[in-house]
Amino acid sequence: QVQLQESGPGLVKPSETLSLTCTVSGGSISNYFVSWIRQPAGRGLEWIGRIYTTGSTSYNPSLKSRLTMSVDTSKNQFSLNLTSVSAADTAVYYCARDRYYYGPGNYYALDSWGQGTLVTVSS
Amino acid sequence: DIQMTQSPSSLSASVGDRVSITCRASQNINNFLNWYQQKTGKAPELLIYAASSLQSGVPSRFTGSGSGTDFTLTISSLQPEDFATYYCQQSYHTPWTFGQGTKVDIK
Repeated sequence: QVQLQESGPGLVKPSETLSLTCTVSGGSISNYFVSWIRQPAGRGLEWIGRIYTTGSTSYNPSLKSRLTMSVDTSKNQFSLNLTSVSAADTAVYYCARDRYYYGPGNYYALDSWGQGTLVTVSS
Repeated sequence: DIQMTQSPSSLSASVGDRVSITCRASQNINNFLNWYQQKTGKAPELLIYAASSLQSGVPSRFTGSGSGTDFTLTISSLQPEDFATYYCQQSYHTPWTFGQGTKVDIK
């Protein structure tokens, strides 16, 4: 069973870059997407974007100008960089497998999630 | 972006109750609709994908229905472990978007 684990600094200063890594274990990362999602304390879920194992990306337009995602297949790792952060970027950040389900349509769903990592933006 | 609106925002129910949560999309999303359960301090877990398909390992008391713009998650007989927050999410078009959540707590 695939498992995902987020890692990275828990504290980032305003205007700096937030960098997180999602390490996948329990299986190959070939041929699927990984999405990043965040959740401010006490609030709902916001999809940040996703990346395919070939490196193809899709970003939320609300974050696109500050966002970069990458993949290192040799390490089974996916990475997220968010530049010029502010207090509004304080949240728990999750990575999740964005799995394709066969059917009459191209169904995707977030079927396996990391435990999440809290990132606080503060000086 | 496709807007997802859940109702109610919260509800109180007892063990054994039948509970329904509604999710409405701002445009037709066919059946590209997923449901998640999130317990306090934990990551969300997938319950239903493609509007009505039960994720492996999820109890059969959870059912999803709907198509187009209106969807429903039903819990046929609420169990103690079902007290949580539930989210719908559309996978019709990126950016994926979530409903604001429905918190189910104990009456």
